[in-house]
Amino acid sequence: GQNIDQPTEMTATEGAIVQINCTYQTSGFNGLFWYQQHAGEAPTFLSYNVLDGLEEKGRFSSFLSRSKGYSYLLLKELQMKDSASYLCAVMDSNYQLIWGAGTKLIIKP
Amino acid sequence: EADIYQTPRYLVIGTGKKITLECSQTMGHDKMYWYQQDPGMELHLIHYSYGVNSTEKGDLSSESTVSRIRTEHFPLTLESARPSHTSQYLCASSEGQGDTGELFFGEGSRLTVL
Repeated sequence: GQNIDQPTEMTATEGAIVQINCTYQTSGFNGLFWYQQHAGEAPTFLSYNVLDGLEEKGRFSSFLSRSKGYSYLLLKELQMKDSASYLCAVMDSNYQLIWGAGTKLIIKP
Repeated sequence: EADIYQTPRYLVIGTGKKITLECSQTMGHDKMYWYQQDPGMELHLIHYSYGVNSTEKGDLSSESTVSRIRTEHFPLTLESARPSHTSQYLCASSEGQGDTGELFFGEGSRLTVL
């Protein structure tokens, strides 16, 4: 079967750096997405990786290793507003998105 | 800011009622999707559409129907609501170029079936 694994919850301190990991097993691969979802709100797009390597966008970076079935989202200079769930999703060979359950990130002062 | 709207935002109904959740987008996107999401759980695809008069079933489609008569409109109908349908329903759209466009989500419809 297809599955996406990511930690259920992580805690970090304001101003620090946190890395949220995502491993996947899917039938085919057409890209990996990261979305941010604040409590009670809809997900919003953060990043898309289809080739191996690191994509940097401001305080957020996303890394992909297709051979390892692995990605991470790196958040730098954490702010309180970064408290949210971070969803990893992989597009399979049928161009369907397979979603992880999300990682709830708690930022402490 | 995404222009995709869902109504109602919150709905409480009794078992057996027929309900329609509305979703409209003003971005001219060809692709639209309905997802169901329970707290702390992954999104599950209910239905999707790649354009007018095109609808496909996802993982959880057996108890609902959709229509796509206009590009901007993609309503979801539950013919007979049950308590197991209590959940958050998210509508999303993406551009038609290729298949790797980001999704733009509506704010969701939170349904409670008593």
